[in-house]
Amino acid sequence: DAKTTQPTSMDCAEGRAANLPCNHSTISGNEYVYWYRQIHSQGPQYIIHGLKNNETNEMASLIITEDRKSSTLILPHATLRDTAVYYCIVREETSGSRLTFGEGTQLTVNP
Amino acid sequence: NAGVMQNPRHLVRRRGQEARLRCSPMKGHSHVYWYRQLPEEGLKFMVYLQKENIIDESGMPKERFSAEFPKEGPSILRIQQVVRGDSAAYFCASSRDHSGNTIYFGEGSWLTVV
Repeated sequence: DAKTTQPTSMDCAEGRAANLPCNHSTISGNEYVYWYRQIHSQGPQYIIHGLKNNETNEMASLIITEDRKSSTLILPHATLRDTAVYYCIVREETSGSRLTFGEGTQLTVNP
Repeated sequence: NAGVMQNPRHLVRRRGQEARLRCSPMKGHSHVYWYRQLPEEGLKFMVYLQKENIIDESGMPKERFSAEFPKEGPSILRIQQVVRGDSAAYFCASSRDHSGNTIYFGEGSWLTVV
C-alpha cells in the first residue's frame, strides 16, 4: 500500500471548518483513500473513502486532487467531540485488503 | 444493526496467565482483523482471518499469540503466558467478503498484565 504523509497536529476553532490534508504521491490506480479517526480510548471510526471523485456524507467531505496525489478531509462545522487522531490510509480495493495505519493528525478543536 | 462486538472490554491478568479476547463481527461480515495498540503508540495489524482460515498472520508475534475464527461463534485472540509487554488495547475489525468492503472496528479490549 502507498504511504501517506499527514501533519502531526492541527488546531481548529469550534464551529469552523477543519481541513485535514494528506499526501499520497505514490498512490496507484486501484488504491482508494480512506479516512478514519480515533477518539481517545475508543476504536477507530470509519469516516469516508473515495477513489478519484469528491465524496460527501453526513460526517465529512473528501476532496481528492485530479492527479490523486493528495486529498483533504473537511469537517464542515467542527465540534469539541471531533477532537481525535485522524488517519488517512491508502488501501487496495480488493477483498480482504487490510488497513495500514500511520501516525495520523491529532486534531484539537478549541472552544 | 449491531456493530463489531468485543469482550471483555477490560481484562486483568497476572504474568504467566492466559488471555482470551473475543470478537463478534458485524452481521453479514465474514472477514475479521485484529490490531494491537500499545500505550502511546499507533495501531499495528496482527492477523486477518476468514471463517476457519487464517489468511494473513504477518503481524502476529511468533510465540504465545494465536487467533481463530471458527465456523460458528466469535473470533478468538489468545495470548498464552502473558507478560507485562502484552498490556495494550486489542481492536477487532470486520468487513464483508467482496471488494469495496469498508472495515469497521469494535471498541477494543484493554488488557492489563500485572
